[in-house]
Amino acid sequence: KNQVEQSPQSLIILEGKNCTLQCNYTVSPFSNLRWYKQDTGRGPVSLTIMTFSENTKSNGRYTATLDADTKQSSLHITASQLSDSASYICVALSDYKLSFGAGTTVTVRA
Amino acid sequence: SQTIHQWPATLVQPVGSPLSLECTVEGTSNPNLYWYRQAAGRGLQLLFYSVGIGQISSEVPQNLSASRPQDRQFILSSKKLLLSDSGFYLCAWSDGNSNEKLFFGSGTQLSVL
Repeated sequence: KNQVEQSPQSLIILEGKNCTLQCNYTVSPFSNLRWYKQDTGRGPVSLTIMTFSENTKSNGRYTATLDADTKQSSLHITASQLSDSASYICVALSDYKLSFGAGTTVTVRA
Repeated sequence: SQTIHQWPATLVQPVGSPLSLECTVEGTSNPNLYWYRQAAGRGLQLLFYSVGIGQISSEVPQNLSASRPQDRQFILSSKKLLLSDSGFYLCAWSDGNSNEKLFFGSGTQLSVL
């Protein structure tokens, strides 16, 4: 069964600090790994998409890494801002089917 | 540019009443269309997807149905809502050719009372 597990479930950080979110996936075969940002009450918005051959990809202050051997991905947020407060969802694509993680809720406090 | 519109944003309905949520996409043709439900603390669950007009695939048995009367219109319906139908519903589209990036609507928060 394809699964995507995210940790932590939630975290609180101070404005300006960095944080790293983790994602473990067990989909097979693997096509790509995506990270989405979802503001409260809104639809998710794509941050990054990485294929098997990509180890890292950045989108502004967001940097995603992928280790296809261990089936792990991380999303690093640098110099967090209040607007980074959101849920971050890890999604794995396998055979045209998407498996969604439950998300990590990030709260950035001033 | 492509845009996706989903409405209403919030909806409160009594048990047993009908439901109709609408989603339209602009700026693209022949998109793949999806309806997802998001429960608190859980990943998005795919309810229906469509690769063309009149073509609907259901992922899970449920009290809901979907229709695609036009190329860029996707409707989620129910004849009689259940309490368990409460949740956050998201419409999404992807390019029918590449199926790469998924674009989501703004969502509908449905409360069945």
